[in-house]
Amino acid sequence: DAKTTQPPSMDCAEGRAANLPCNHSTISGNEYVYWYRQIHSQGPQYIIHGLKNNETNEMASLIITEDRKSSTLILPHATLRDTAVYYCIVRGLTFAGGTSYGKLTFGQGTILTVHP
Amino acid sequence: EAGVTQFPSHSVIEKGQTVTLRCDPISGHDNLYWYRRVMGKEIKFLLHFVKESKQDESGMPNNRFLAERTGGTYSTLKVQPAELEDSGVYFCASSQEEQAGVMKTQYFGPGTRLLVL
Repeated sequence: DAKTTQPPSMDCAEGRAANLPCNHSTISGNEYVYWYRQIHSQGPQYIIHGLKNNETNEMASLIITEDRKSSTLILPHATLRDTAVYYCIVRGLTFAGGTSYGKLTFGQGTILTVHP
Repeated sequence: EAGVTQFPSHSVIEKGQTVTLRCDPISGHDNLYWYRRVMGKEIKFLLHFVKESKQDESGMPNNRFLAERTGGTYSTLKVQPAELEDSGVYFCASSQEEQAGVMKTQYFGPGTRLLVL
């Protein structure tokens, strides 16, 4: 799976949009961009994923550049509860004998701190 | 629908003892993954089950770790004998069956915090 690069930390004011960047310049055509977050000591929480089109769900929006070498996770109205470590993960479908290999490779992530 | 559950939430054992961690995936999820985070390090993949079969165990650190998923439902991860460096948080994740070209999202449990003294 392709390696990702994220800033180690970011700050955001409560109520403002949080824009978390991720570089994945070696991404290949069949690899998806996934975002997870880990709040305090809980298990990683799925946020959103995409292949090449921008995606939006109830939690966030994902903007992927046309060349797919970078992406941005947008939390439109950050709250204090959004303080967490955010992981950008590139994951590909690799098949062997008809079954995919799905492991996630976590990096250091971005520590997002939302302040009042 | 219940999420991924893990038991116990915490375990404190002495070096040389045995510990067994349990993971119950989301009902109907064929794929089950184990990950762990040791102190100060990144979350690392351990192994992947598809139903009861080990699909990928490339992340298992050594033969002191044994994972099973009899019957393709819940899974156990046994550490025997435990060493100090095994301390960390062990996460389990599950996902639906993946078919050609369709990727499925992994959902994580809350983790088991293991401390080996």
